[in-house]
Amino acid sequence: AQSVTQLDSHVSVSEGTPVLLRCNYSSSYSPSLFWYVQHPNKGLQLLLKYTSAATLVKGINGFEAEFKKSETSFHLTKPSAHMSDAAEYFCVVPFSGGYNKLIFGAGTRLAVHP
Amino acid sequence: EAGVTQFPSHSVIEKGQTVTLRCDPISGHDNLYWYRRVMGKEIKFLLHFVKESKQDESGMPNNRFLAERTGGTYSTLKVQPAELEDSGVYFCASSQGQGWGKNIQYFGAGTRLSVL
Repeated sequence: AQSVTQLDSHVSVSEGTPVLLRCNYSSSYSPSLFWYVQHPNKGLQLLLKYTSAATLVKGINGFEAEFKKSETSFHLTKPSAHMSDAAEYFCVVPFSGGYNKLIFGAGTRLAVHP
Repeated sequence: EAGVTQFPSHSVIEKGQTVTLRCDPISGHDNLYWYRRVMGKEIKFLLHFVKESKQDESGMPNNRFLAERTGGTYSTLKVQPAELEDSGVYFCASSQGQGWGKNIQYFGAGTRLSVL
């Protein structure tokens, strides 16, 4: 069965420094993978998606993620954090390769300090 | 274009009462999903509608939960009677359909339910 594990529940960075949010997946085949973000009092917003076309995926707001099959990882990165990046981030995998049921990681709350 | 909207944003009820949550999907989206996040846990799938039909309700926790989508437009999720463990945030999402580019799920802001 598919699953995702987000390795950090909280990450704190200074504005202007790099961001790394870690996600490992478990699947018997190469899955599709997503990162969603939730800002306070807002809906979950799709940041980026991996669908086997390219291992390095660029998303919105300067975020990107790299699919590494050998490490079963899909870490989210950004070169320089902005105050507006403070939010909760979710690594997500569709169930059984389809898109109808999403399986969420526990979430990583990102804090950005001046 | 309006996104997925959910009502109410917050609901506080007492144990044993009934609560109805509403979700209005993006116009034209045939697929509608309900998810739930209880305190300290992951967001979990509850069920999936295709138009007015329940495609998958494998995540519904028990028969106190009833979801409907009459006419294939908005959906309601009723909890009757509510228990303390039902507290959490209930998310609704919608997607256009199947196939490339049409299956991305767009989420609402959620309804925070507190059962006292």
